[in-house]
Amino acid sequence: GIQVEQSPPDLILQEGANSTLRCNFSDSVNNLQWFHQNPWGQLINLFYIPSGTKQNGRLSATTVATERYSLLYISSSQTTDSGVYFCAVERRQGGKLIFGQGTELSVKP
Amino acid sequence: NAGVTQTPKFQVLKTGQSMTLQCAQDMNHEYMSWYRQDPGMGLRLIHYSVGAGITDQGEVPNGYNVSRSTTEDFPLRLLSAAPSQTSVYFCASSYSLVDRGIYEQYFGPGTRLTVT
Repeated sequence: GIQVEQSPPDLILQEGANSTLRCNFSDSVNNLQWFHQNPWGQLINLFYIPSGTKQNGRLSATTVATERYSLLYISSSQTTDSGVYFCAVERRQGGKLIFGQGTELSVKP
Repeated sequence: NAGVTQTPKFQVLKTGQSMTLQCAQDMNHEYMSWYRQDPGMGLRLIHYSVGAGITDQGEVPNGYNVSRSTTEDFPLRLLSAAPSQTSVYFCASSYSLVDRGIYEQYFGPGTRLTVT
């Protein structure tokens, strides 16, 4: 099946710093989504981004489908950004959204 | 809208017992799915459904059954619980676009299951 690899696995930042999270995938995909799991376990959809670039406040994401990777940018990080960030992909007409292992982010005040 | 709801929030079972985890959504989403989350393993897909009456297996389906008799509900049944099924279970739903796959996926709050 398709392999989804996220890097780095862990990241510690000071409040106000910027960061880039990466998601590599091993096959052509129909779509790609980024999620944030907060410290209480709730999973929130950040971006549906099969290709191109999107921005939402301090967060933006870019997917280059032809090169099989996506990047999530977090600018001016805040303590509330802490948690685990997952990317998930679906192969073309696959019906299965497969998750990477996640990047655990900790933002210190 | 309540979104995606799951019951119960917590459950303790003995080995061999059976139970059903409930999942419901009120967004008229065609696509629904079940994941389990274990420490260090991310989320793994158990079963999914692209519409009422249609279900299929995900990455880790063994030991679990599903059915989809209505658009709103997608229960997950554990037939004979085992300690290896101790996990946090998440249900999710989304629109399924014919030519673009699974759209933005919404998750329920999760069910924490312990099997002793």
